[in-house]
Amino acid sequence: ETGVTQSPTHLIKTRGQQVTLRCSSQSGHNTVSWYQQALGQGPQFIFQYYREEENGRGNFPPRFSGLQFPNYSSELNVNALELDDSALYLCASSLSDRRETQYFGPGTRLLVL
Amino acid sequence: GQQLNQSPQSMFIQEGEDVSMNCTSSSIFNTWLWYKQEPGEGPVLLIALYKAGELTSNGRLTAQFGITRKDSFLNISASIPSDVGIYFCAGQLRGTSYGKLTFGQGTILTVHP
Repeated sequence: ETGVTQSPTHLIKTRGQQVTLRCSSQSGHNTVSWYQQALGQGPQFIFQYYREEENGRGNFPPRFSGLQFPNYSSELNVNALELDDSALYLCASSLSDRRETQYFGPGTRLLVL
Repeated sequence: GQQLNQSPQSMFIQEGEDVSMNCTSSSIFNTWLWYKQEPGEGPVLLIALYKAGELTSNGRLTAQFGITRKDSFLNISASIPSDVGIYFCAGQLRGTSYGKLTFGQGTILTVHP
């Protein structure tokens, strides 16, 4: 069984740029959620994707957007990067009948300068 | 937004001691989960609880879903050095139709050999 994988592991961007982060879900999981974890904090829910559509969103602005593909993998896109976007971005996958039971990937560490 | 109050914030214990941490909220949750996160890694799911009063064990770990559905606790028995890490509680609020998890702030556990 393959776990959740994310790429890249680390990324450095400058303010105003755009970034795309990628996630492959655990084998058999069709639902993907994205979280932002600032240093010293718990993860904060960004949004969830199921059947290639966003089906739930946290308190994040529209410049945070995502995609899910037919193979259940997903992308997180962030436009117009701000310094406060520096964080660990976590992807989690789950089954559609247990969307809250989520298995996390190792994360992508984003630094915005 | 909804908050989970996790305590204690940190614990320094001797190897072999038992550990107890808890999570409380003013809101009702349908699901409680406990995760462990180590430096540079994503959270790893330890235990998932789905019913009020449920008591579940995973090796030396035991967690319970509070009967009021507003709290949960995690116990670790006979701690060992590899238990070191940050433990997070997470829950899905009642009335949430998708898998948005709300996380606590974490308990930092240090185990002295």
